[in-house]
Amino acid sequence: EAQVTQNPRYLITVTGKKLTVTCSQNMNHEYMSWYRQDPGLGLRQIYYSMNVEVTDKGDVPEGYKVSRKEKRNFPLILESPSPNQTSLYFCASRLSTSSTDTQYFGPGTRLTVL
Amino acid sequence: AQKITQTQPGMFVQEKEAVTLDCTYDTSDPSYGLFWYKQPSSGEMIFLIYQGSYDQQNATEGRYSLNFQKARKSANLVISASQLGDSAMYFCAMRYFSGAGSYQLTFGKGTKLSVIP
Repeated sequence: EAQVTQNPRYLITVTGKKLTVTCSQNMNHEYMSWYRQDPGLGLRQIYYSMNVEVTDKGDVPEGYKVSRKEKRNFPLILESPSPNQTSLYFCASRLSTSSTDTQYFGPGTRLTVL
Repeated sequence: AQKITQTQPGMFVQEKEAVTLDCTYDTSDPSYGLFWYKQPSSGEMIFLIYQGSYDQQNATEGRYSLNFQKARKSANLVISASQLGDSAMYFCAMRYFSGAGSYQLTFGKGTKLSVIP
């Protein structure tokens, strides 16, 4: 089954404790990205990657890191999480950077930083 | 600047009635795409429908149709014969060509639809 998977689905952590949210897709998609969703703000892009070893900042990159060492995986790293990073996070992928490709989303990771 | 506006934070509709969710957009890019996603209470994002800026006809997918009015820069989602399972948050999104050489997606703030039995 074609899908985007994220782990963990739910995470409660404390300020300053490094964490990684994994994202994997099995559709051989070139393009992957991370969003955060906050009430009243919709989805905002954190980082995106057009291909292996090619990443770039989205609209709200501060406090986050990403890497794309292989095509299927695009982990999101919070080196020192803070309470303002409490949010619902989505990983997404699409075949390429073409305008007509549909973007597929993972199930979401609900993160709480105390 | 690329922008999507959804002016209805919440809406109610009677079961079996049709409902229109509003979406307006702003872009200077002549080639763009418009998407609607559904987010039920379980949280996942479900793709509903797509309209390209050069498409001559309005997109339809089952009970979903997109009322695309290019001159008005609007891309409203119409859901016919509402069902209880349609209760969810709905997001309008626009794909535009970014200066970094790729197409990016920007989202509206969403409309929460509640279907009343």
